[in-house]
Amino acid sequence: DAMVIQNPRYQVTQFGKPVTLSCSQTLNHNVMYWYQQKSSQAPKLLFHYYDKDFNNEADTPDNFQSRRPNTSFCFLDIRSPGLGDAAMYLCATSGRQGALNYGYTFGSGTRLTVV
Amino acid sequence: DQQVKQNSPSLSVQEGRISILNCDYTNSMFDYFLWYKKYPAEGPTFLISISSIKDKNEDGRFTVFLNKSAKHLSLHIVPSQPGDSAVYFCAASAGETSGSRLTFGEGTQLTVNP
Repeated sequence: DAMVIQNPRYQVTQFGKPVTLSCSQTLNHNVMYWYQQKSSQAPKLLFHYYDKDFNNEADTPDNFQSRRPNTSFCFLDIRSPGLGDAAMYLCATSGRQGALNYGYTFGSGTRLTVV
Repeated sequence: DQQVKQNSPSLSVQEGRISILNCDYTNSMFDYFLWYKKYPAEGPTFLISISSIKDKNEDGRFTVFLNKSAKHLSLHIVPSQPGDSAVYFCAASAGETSGSRLTFGEGTQLTVNP
């Protein structure tokens, strides 16, 4: 089945130690998104790629970076994780068909713990 | 600045009854609205959407109503089933095209009791 896969499902990292979360998709969607969701809060968009074009949200901290080496993969790099970065990180895609009629397709998320 | 708000963190209903989940938005540019359902340890899955040119969209047991003047939408689930127990997110975008950014509400935990 075509899907969005996030690895790992759970990630524990040390305070200040760089960490990378990965997302892959088999949908051939041209847009990929990274959302951060903290407990009982709304998912918050960090950035998205429209094909190779990177779009950063104005309030996304510089500590967060992203790479998209090809259509299928997108990475979220947290350069120096702080305790406040502990959250669920959701990757999503949307397709070239031009409509949001069916919304985004989300991965299962990576829960990041910072110790 | 929370542009999409779901004021009820939780809702509990009996199986077979109607569940009504509410969502309010503040941004007049939003013209496309979606509901997502999320089970624990899974990503959100798309449930139903509505364009601002409509005031109602129905898909089986799920109906979304949009009141543009009040900037309010609601999701009705009839009849509710225990398997509907999940967190429901309301989302909105300005535009329907691929690449449009979705802004989410905080979610409402629905519990359907047998």
